[in-house]
Amino acid sequence: QSVLTQPPSVSAAPGQKVTVSCSGSTSNIGSNSVSWYQHLPGTVPKLLIYDNDKRPSGIPDRFSASKSGTSATLGITGLQTGDEADYYCATWDNSLSGGVFGGGTKVTVL
Amino acid sequence: EVVLWESGGNLVQRGGSLRLSCSASGFKFSDYSMSWVRQAPGKGLEWVSSISDSGFFVYNAEALQGRFTISRDNADNTVDLQMHNLEVDDTGVYYCVRGGSRSLASFHFDHWGRGDLVTVSS
Repeated sequence: QSVLTQPPSVSAAPGQKVTVSCSGSTSNIGSNSVSWYQHLPGTVPKLLIYDNDKRPSGIPDRFSASKSGTSATLGITGLQTGDEADYYCATWDNSLSGGVFGGGTKVTVL
Repeated sequence: EVVLWESGGNLVQRGGSLRLSCSASGFKFSDYSMSWVRQAPGKGLEWVSSISDSGFFVYNAEALQGRFTISRDNADNTVDLQMHNLEVDDTGVYYCVRGGSRSLASFHFDHWGRGDLVTVSS
């Protein structure tokens, strides 16, 4: 059972928007910034978002994220078939003195 | 170009030991923290261990119960993960990852290796 809670799956039609939630606690999301990773089938995980809402260079602005209290949310607009992947949130947990990942959310394009 | 190349993955029996190594290039290695992240078959990503840029600070996942040790050689641009008393549940792909920030409050990984497979048999 992951310290950060994500829904197992979300889906939407091409061109639509999906959101992926990530729920934690005061010792992790509530105290530290959140990052998001995209893991496409057969590839290496890729950093999508860091410091709650910042995109590394090369990441399209269709991907956005926010944090409020002990929860974070990733949004993907203009959904494309190439966005089908597993998405993970992550942060540092002060109580555990370690990094924590969410369980991952599979995004499906209908 | 940042390149992280893992090696050492293998098939090992339960209770055995294995040492993974990650060779880094394309950046000033001594300026970055490094970590290992793993993924068991059919499961999600799991943080394993991190080491600060100097090597002074080390953090390990509690669930590992002290069986794994991370170390680095800034002269050689390598980071290793020594694994002892391996369990079947340690089976998975192990990724070498670069830390994107010196601050734990901004804990994230901006570059990933291709991963190396560790298989622990019973």
